Amino acid sequence: EPEVTQTPSHQVTQMGQEVILRCVPISNHLYFYWYRQILGQKVEFLVSFYNNEISEKSEIFDDQFSVERPDGSNFTLKIRSTKLEDSAMYFCASSGAKPSEFFGPGTRLTVL
Amino acid sequence: AQSVTQLDSQVPVFEEAPVELRCNYSSSVSVYLFWYVQYPNQGLQLLLKYLSGSTLVKGINGFEAEFNKSQTSFHLRKPSVHISDTAEYFCAVSDRSGRRALTFGSGTRLQVQP
Repeated sequence: EPEVTQTPSHQVTQMGQEVILRCVPISNHLYFYWYRQILGQKVEFLVSFYNNEISEKSEIFDDQFSVERPDGSNFTLKIRSTKLEDSAMYFCASSGAKPSEFFGPGTRLTVL
Repeated sequence: AQSVTQLDSQVPVFEEAPVELRCNYSSSVSVYLFWYVQYPNQGLQLLLKYLSGSTLVKGINGFEAEFNKSQTSFHLRKPSVHISDTAEYFCAVSDRSGRRALTFGSGTRLQVQP
């Protein structure tokens, strides 16, 4: 069964450093997303991406964040200058034409 | 704007007992509804979804949910739970207007005891 994959599973970084989280969505899907879950809190939407551009973003997704689909398979989330409060589990998701998002296993980001 | 309320943060239940996890939503537009399960140290897995049609939706692992438009609810049920159902359950909505982002509830921890 096709699945969304994410790398790395755990990323530790120093405050102020740039990080790139990587995702491989399901191959025939059209919509791509990033969500995050701060420990003990609810899952929050960050950004959606369709037709090679951002289709929607939340208030959380400020200028420190960017997304890219550098090739036909990868979808990345970049945080330019990490802050302590960026520590969270980051989930990538993808969906086809019908609304039904499939989530990856997540990347745990720890900012020290 | 939408919001999702999961009234119970934790639900303890004995094995083989029935369970209902409650979900209410608020939205100014029509919505799609979803339940996701998160096992410890894992990602989110889609349990079931309501897009249209029958208001009673059956999902994986014996779960079902019923969409009640008048009560703006989408409660999740299982007639007989197993130890392996112990997990966090999230209700989520997205609107039908084209905005695809999911709005999640705060989650309900189902703890199945032997």
